[in-house]
Amino acid sequence: ETGVTQSPTHLIKTRGQQVTLRCSSQSGHNTVSWYQQALGQGPQFIFQYYREEENGRGNFPPRFSGLQFPNYSSELNVNALELDDSALYLCASRVAGGTYNEQFFGPGTRLTVL
Amino acid sequence: DAKTTQPPSMDCAEGRAANLPCNHSTISGNEYVYWYRQIHSQGPQYIIHGLKNNETNEMASLIITEDRKSSTLILPHATLRDTAVYYCIALSSNDYKLSFGAGTTVTVRA
Repeated sequence: ETGVTQSPTHLIKTRGQQVTLRCSSQSGHNTVSWYQQALGQGPQFIFQYYREEENGRGNFPPRFSGLQFPNYSSELNVNALELDDSALYLCASRVAGGTYNEQFFGPGTRLTVL
Repeated sequence: DAKTTQPPSMDCAEGRAANLPCNHSTISGNEYVYWYRQIHSQGPQYIIHGLKNNETNEMASLIITEDRKSSTLILPHATLRDTAVYYCIALSSNDYKLSFGAGTTVTVRA
């Protein structure tokens, strides 16, 4: 069973640029969520994708957007990067409609905005 | 989802039981108590969850008080690899947004 993978591992961008982060869900999982974790804080929910559509969003502006593909892999796109976007970005997959809400997290992408 | 309160940090001796408390005094009847942990430089990992009854799996035990206002995660024989930040989360059965607080940083010492 392949776990959740994310790419790239690390990324450095400058303010105002755009970035795309990628996530491959665990085999058999049809739902993916993205979280932002600033240094020293717990992860914060960005949004969730199910059946290729966003079906839940946290308190993040529209410049954070995403995609889910038919194979359930996903992308997180952030436009007009700001310094405060520097964080660890985590993706988590699960099976929607399961008997309990166990989410499987990837190792994350560390984004640094200069 | 109900807010949870955890101590910021705790130490534990290797081989001893680690008891991690969590307060969730405003938890509602359909909210489960979930525990995740995050080892340094890794993504969070599910540990265990429960509603009313005590639960045990290969990683830990979860003790929930009868009034459900607090719970304790027990790592029966802590090892150095259990050093991590532990998060207690209240989550209703039809929700999926994990609300991570600051968690408890557990340091297991040899």
